Amino acid sequence: NAGVTQTPKFQVLKTGQSMTLQCAQDMNHNSMYWYRQDPGMGLRLIYYSASEGTTDKGEVPNGYNVSRLNKREFSLRLESAAPSQTSVYFCASSEGFGTGGNQPQHFGDGTRLSIL
Amino acid sequence: LAKTTQPISMDSYEGQEVNITCSHNNIATNDYITWYQQFPSQGPRFIIQGYKTKVTNEVASLFIPADRKSSTLSLPRVSLSDTAVYYCLVGGPNTGGFKTIFGAGTRLFVKA
Repeated sequence: NAGVTQTPKFQVLKTGQSMTLQCAQDMNHNSMYWYRQDPGMGLRLIYYSASEGTTDKGEVPNGYNVSRLNKREFSLRLESAAPSQTSVYFCASSEGFGTGGNQPQHFGDGTRLSIL
Repeated sequence: LAKTTQPISMDSYEGQEVNITCSHNNIATNDYITWYQQFPSQGPRFIIQGYKTKVTNEVASLFIPADRKSSTLSLPRVSLSDTAVYYCLVGGPNTGGFKTIFGAGTRLFVKA
């Protein structure tokens, strides 16, 4: 049982390049999330998907787009990467349909992204 | 949304019991208290969740007083491998998973 799988694990981009981060979960969860974590900081929510076919902005959505491809997969796209987007990106999923702040979230191991 | 406050960092020694307290004065009636653990280079991992009184699992115990305005995560006999960041979150069935907020957490450093 893999849980939440993120690819790639590491990536270096140049300013202005685009890239898609991939995330897949095999727990049949309904909700999925993308977070970023900067050094020494907590996690900040970028986008979330409360159910298949829906996506909504989180706390820091600027510069990102997402696609909930199907129930399993939720991708995050940087259209024109900027140095300020250098961070570790985490994908997570939870069982409920977006509601349920008490629903435990299951996280992947992150994508470490550096933008030069 | 209930805000949480927890110590920035704590030190301990192997074999000791560690208690990390989280304050959540504005907790709502339907809110649960959830703790996560994050090791370096990994995503957060769910540890324990509770609503009131005491919850215990194979990893930790969670103590919640009657007024629920605070909670204490207790790690029995810590080892070096318990060095991690611990996050306290508060949310309920109607909060929305997207509204749970991970603050800076508590950095626990276990020494030999």
